[in-house]
This record gives sequence, structure tokens and C-alpha cells, in this order.
Amino acid sequence: EADIYQTPRYLVIGTGKKITLECSQTMGHDKMYWYQQDPGMELHLIHYSYGVNSTEKGDLSSESTVSRIRTEHFPLTLESARPSHTSQYLCASSESAQFYNEQFFGPGTRLTVL
Amino acid sequence: AQKVTQAQTEISVVEKEDVTLDCVYETRDTTYYLFWYKQPPSGELVFLIRRNSFDEQNEISGRYSWNFQKSTSSFNFTITASQVVDSAVYFCALSAPNSGYSTLTFGKGTMLLVSP
Repeated sequence: EADIYQTPRYLVIGTGKKITLECSQTMGHDKMYWYQQDPGMELHLIHYSYGVNSTEKGDLSSESTVSRIRTEHFPLTLESARPSHTSQYLCASSESAQFYNEQFFGPGTRLTVL
Repeated sequence: AQKVTQAQTEISVVEKEDVTLDCVYETRDTTYYLFWYKQPPSGELVFLIRRNSFDEQNEISGRYSWNFQKSTSSFNFTITASQVVDSAVYFCALSAPNSGYSTLTFGKGTMLLVSP
């Protein structure tokens, strides 16, 4: 059973606001990920981390930033939200960097920027 | 480069019908893993199955079955006697060494709607 949490589940904010989407996992997994899911369902990897103090950009360019100060915590920050950032954001983790490990997903944060 | 194609964007069936979701993949690696995930309306992706490239045996788990054929680079998913609770978006994904450690390449997903 995966234990990965995201808060908030839903967020509606105005343009220009700074926001942080929280993601935590209690499984001790080394690798964590952030995906952006567009209304057409497609998933885009925007950030990932191999472990503490490691962050990498994913396939889709994103104006967001991430940090990994603790193994269990991988927050995503938008310094100045815009309507184009409206999307579903999914956090995931996997046990190690091995390519055969499945990823476990959180429930997602649905962000709407007005 | 890796690629996963799910040609069916949306499928609608009536309860108790069998339905097959198609997945075709591309990779230059000889060792790779294939995955299926389910995303119900609640939003989180739920892991369903993982299959490595050396194991071509079909797998059955209850009403779910998977058909892996390397010759056609396909990893299709069949739900037998579908139920309303099966309504969800289903994603096929590929992981291979050249795609980056433990980085999944997802298909665009197939939305399955099962009506009573």
C-alpha cells in the first residue's frame, strides 16, 4: 500500500500569487517525481529527484521549482502563478533509481489560476 | 527514444461487455519494463501490473488479463465482464535504461466508460 500524500487537493488562486504544492511519502523512497497532467489526460514529467539535495528537470519545461531537503518531502513552488499553470499536478515516488521499479502516486493537486 | 502509443482515446461499453485496451511501444533497449496504471475519477494513478521484456507469458488477475507480444511490440489489457467501477483512464507506460533511471514514458491514456 502506497503512502504518498499531497496537499492541498484543490487550490484556486489569483494570478501573481506564490504557491507551494506539498508532497510527502512515508515509504523511505529515494526517487520522487512531479508530473503535470493536462486536460487531455497526458502526463508530463516536470521534475524528479534521486535523493536528498538532488533535483532534475523533466521532459516538459516548467516555470516551477522543487527542493529535496528531506527524503520524505518534495515540494513544488510556483513563484508567480499564471492561468497557463492551471492543471492537475501529480507527485510520485519509487523505491530506487532502478528502471524496473514501479512508481507510486499521490492523489494529486488540482490547481486553478484565475 | 522511447514511445508509447495508446490509439484509443475513449472507449464506451455497457456493463458485462469485454473490452481490450491497446498499447504499442517503441524502444531500442532489449531490456525494458512495461506497466499499466489506472486513474479513477479520484485522480491518483493506481499501479496494476509490471512486465519485463523477457517474460512473454500472459497474465491474468481476476477479470483483468494482459497480453504481451514482443513481435508486435504490444502490451494489451483486457477487462472481462466490465463493471461500472472499471470506469477510469488507463495508462500504459514503458521504462528502459536509455529513458533515464526509473523514468516512465507514458502513453496518452485511454478513457474507459462503463455504463450500467
